[in-house]
Amino acid sequence: EPEVTQTPSHQVTQMGQEVILRCVPISNHLYFYWYRQILGQKVEFLVSFYNNEISEKSEIFDDQFSVERPDGSNFTLKIRSTKLEDSAMYFCASSGQTYNEQFFGPGTRLTVL
Amino acid sequence: ILNVEQSPQSLHVQEGDSTNFTCSFPSSNFYALHWYRWETAKSPEALFVMTLNGDEKKKGRISATLNTKEGYSYLYIKGSQPEDSATYLCAHNSGNTGKLIFGQGTTLQVKP
Repeated sequence: EPEVTQTPSHQVTQMGQEVILRCVPISNHLYFYWYRQILGQKVEFLVSFYNNEISEKSEIFDDQFSVERPDGSNFTLKIRSTKLEDSAMYFCASSGQTYNEQFFGPGTRLTVL
Repeated sequence: ILNVEQSPQSLHVQEGDSTNFTCSFPSSNFYALHWYRWETAKSPEALFVMTLNGDEKKKGRISATLNTKEGYSYLYIKGSQPEDSATYLCAHNSGNTGKLIFGQGTTLQVKP
């Protein structure tokens, strides 16, 4: 059964460093998302991406964040200068249609020291 | 209601018990309501996507209902088994970009 994969599973970085989180969505899906969950809080939406552009982003998704689909298979989230408060589990998801079920990856746990 | 709220926060039941959880969501600008099952260290797994008022969906021992006019959905598990132990998340599509707004989840523990 096709699945969404994410790498790495755990990333530890120093405050101020750049990180890139990688995702491989399901191959025939057209809609891509990033969410995150800070420990003890709700899963929160970061950004949606369709047709090679951002379709919606949350207030969290400021200039330090960017997304890219560089080669038609990978979908990346870059944080330019990490802050302590960026420590969270980051989930990638993809879907075939806007309101269809979203398939989630297993997440990348980002720890900023 | 402005946010998605779930209750109870956690639930402990005995194997064989039936149980249900509630998800409340904004009834305006409704597009779809999603239920996910999330086991520790695994990907959240989609259970149901519901779009129409009065929808009822079933997958094995798990079923869900939807009331879009009053903004709530119920998830039912009949005859709970230890393998049903997980966090159950509901999420609301609030616009036309597919963005999901999640509740805080209900964590179910089924004791053998």
